[in-house]
Amino acid sequence: QTVVTQEPSLTVSPGGTVTLTCASSTGAVTSGYFPSWFQQKPGQAPRTLIYSTINRFSWTPARFSGSLLGGKAALTLSGVQPEDEAEYYCLLYYGAAHLWVSGGGTKLTVL
Amino acid sequence: EVQMVESGGVLVQPGGSLRLSCATSGFTFSAFWMNWVRQAPGKGLEWVANINEDGSEKYFPDSVRGRFTISRDNAKSSVSLEMNSLTAEDTAVYYCVRGTTQPGMDVWGQGTTVTVSS
Repeated sequence: QTVVTQEPSLTVSPGGTVTLTCASSTGAVTSGYFPSWFQQKPGQAPRTLIYSTINRFSWTPARFSGSLLGGKAALTLSGVQPEDEAEYYCLLYYGAAHLWVSGGGTKLTVL
Repeated sequence: EVQMVESGGVLVQPGGSLRLSCATSGFTFSAFWMNWVRQAPGKGLEWVANINEDGSEKYFPDSVRGRFTISRDNAKSSVSLEMNSLTAEDTAVYYCVRGTTQPGMDVWGQGTTVTVSS
């Protein structure tokens, strides 16, 4: 069974920078896994921030950026705002099996 | 504005069946893959089904394969999820999510809640 792993929780100060990562039990994450990142606040539906590793949507603040880092997918928040406190999920595509697998989420606290 | 509105979530007994629907608007429905993603109470996201633009390709994870089926009506811009042999582990909020042109998902609906309990 394929497992996608994220940090359970991270804390960052307002104005700071934090990087969330997303690892696959099958090995290094590459662009071929089309990593996506989602933000979810309590009581709300998830919102997609990043798709295909690095691509933002029109609604994605510029302080959010996606990348590959050390064999993992990464989401970096630069100049963190209090409203960035949320749960963040990554999603990887395992094309050979036509499957999408999500990580368990990272609870980001802005303190 | 791109919108997805899910419906059909209810309380259902174990072993029962349910059909969820997702009505969409604001985009050319027939040009996009569509997905269903669920979230159990207090848990993370789990992708449960997707379907390609013309309905000829459908994929499911092991957890629901053989019990769930997905279909779409391009004339009505809607996608459905048929769920059978439901168990308590299927209790979740079910989201309808549009696919992106590359593999991925972009716009989410607000979700519909399915509770499986006796």
